[in-house]
Amino acid sequence: DGGITQSPKYLFRKEGQNVTLSCEQNLNHDAMYWYRQDPGQGLRLIYYSQIVNDFQKGDIAEGYSVSREKKESFPLTVTSAQKNPTAFYLCASNSGTDTQYFGPGTRLTVL
Amino acid sequence: GESVGLHLPTLSVQEGDNSIINCAYSNSASDYFIWYKQESGKGPQFIIDIRSNMDKRQGQRVTVLLNKTVKHLSLQIAATQPGDSAVYFCAEIPYGGATNKLIFGTGTLLAVQP
Repeated sequence: DGGITQSPKYLFRKEGQNVTLSCEQNLNHDAMYWYRQDPGQGLRLIYYSQIVNDFQKGDIAEGYSVSREKKESFPLTVTSAQKNPTAFYLCASNSGTDTQYFGPGTRLTVL
Repeated sequence: GESVGLHLPTLSVQEGDNSIINCAYSNSASDYFIWYKQESGKGPQFIIDIRSNMDKRQGQRVTVLLNKTVKHLSLQIAATQPGDSAVYFCAEIPYGGATNKLIFGTGTLLAVQP
């Protein structure tokens, strides 16, 4: 069963706490992406990685960190420096000039 | 479910009617356009794409029209079904840009009435 998986589906964070969102793909895609989605807004790019061990900041990288140690995995950490982290987080991947395909998302809520 | 559709423009149609969802894009140099469908609480699904050297492209029950003169993109859904209810949004890539540089619209909520 090929595709992009994200976990957990729902995540709750206390203020001041770091949390890590998982994204895995078995599509053999080179590039992976993290987006944030807020109600009534378009997707905003947080970070992206075009190759293992390399990644670039997107438009709203402050308060987030990523790693890309394996081609299949691109975890996102939401740090305590992110002041408004409540949002729907989407991971995507693609290869070459193909369009991006998305995972099912993680809903993060700050308590 | 997630309130992705909150405050979005809404198109309400009767089941069986045709739907037309519009998108105005921002960059006249955009080269590649994609339509996504997002159901409540789920990730966006690819529907159809079109390159700037085309005016029209058809898929299964869907047609995308591109008017570069007025920077307008539309998605037509034939014989709309309840399962088509979702938020639809377009994405664009500027000419020469990599597919990591998608620019997303905010979306339109399609509500299909039985």
